[in-house]
Amino acid sequence: DAGITQSPRHKVTETGTPVTLRCHQTENHRYMYWYRQDPGHGLRLIHYSYGVKDTDKGEVSDGYSVSRSKTEDFLLTLESATSSQTSVYFCAISESENYGYTFGSGTRLTVV
Amino acid sequence: AQSVTQLGSHVSVSEGALVLLRCNYSSSVPPYLFWYVQYPNQGLQLLLKYTSAATLVKGINGFEAEFKKSETSFHLTKPSAHMSDAAEYFCAVSDQRNTPLVFGKGTRLSVIA
Repeated sequence: DAGITQSPRHKVTETGTPVTLRCHQTENHRYMYWYRQDPGHGLRLIHYSYGVKDTDKGEVSDGYSVSRSKTEDFLLTLESATSSQTSVYFCAISESENYGYTFGSGTRLTVV
Repeated sequence: AQSVTQLGSHVSVSEGALVLLRCNYSSSVPPYLFWYVQYPNQGLQLLLKYTSAATLVKGINGFEAEFKKSETSFHLTKPSAHMSDAAEYFCAVSDQRNTPLVFGKGTRLSVIA
């Protein structure tokens, strides 16, 4: 989507390997979020950030870590990938909650 | 904590028929409510939002939703379905206290010619 990009778009990785997904924004929005989307579960929050070096856990944070050293970048790391982390990962940005979110196009991750 | 329930994981309507997608929420404080649409292999797009102004909210592509506090509902409607409306729709809630959106599990809308 305009102003927010995710990389890579697709990735296949092996169980036990570390993986980092990147979310980059050009909107200078304060808030950034990582969600995962799985059939039957909708979108579930992994981690979120309210500013540089200000992050917090969501409902499914186990096995994931994040970093935000610059306003424009929010990185999601799977420390040691497992098959249960096969999913589509979405990044979102927001000026504030009442504006709603702008979503990236997603990263499809397959762990084999 | 807030939560969202979307009734019906799959809804099928004929082209030209009324679209009704149901969303009920739970929130201990006045909520912000949103509907998003996701087309295949794409991210989510904001359809409309309720942020405590008018209870009937109009969005893009002819969709609208009505906030009913007494029923804790925010159902999405469109008078006449079009083939291009086929997508997955998500309802989401925020409790206005700077907490992230909580999404429902989604409803897939199919439109039959």
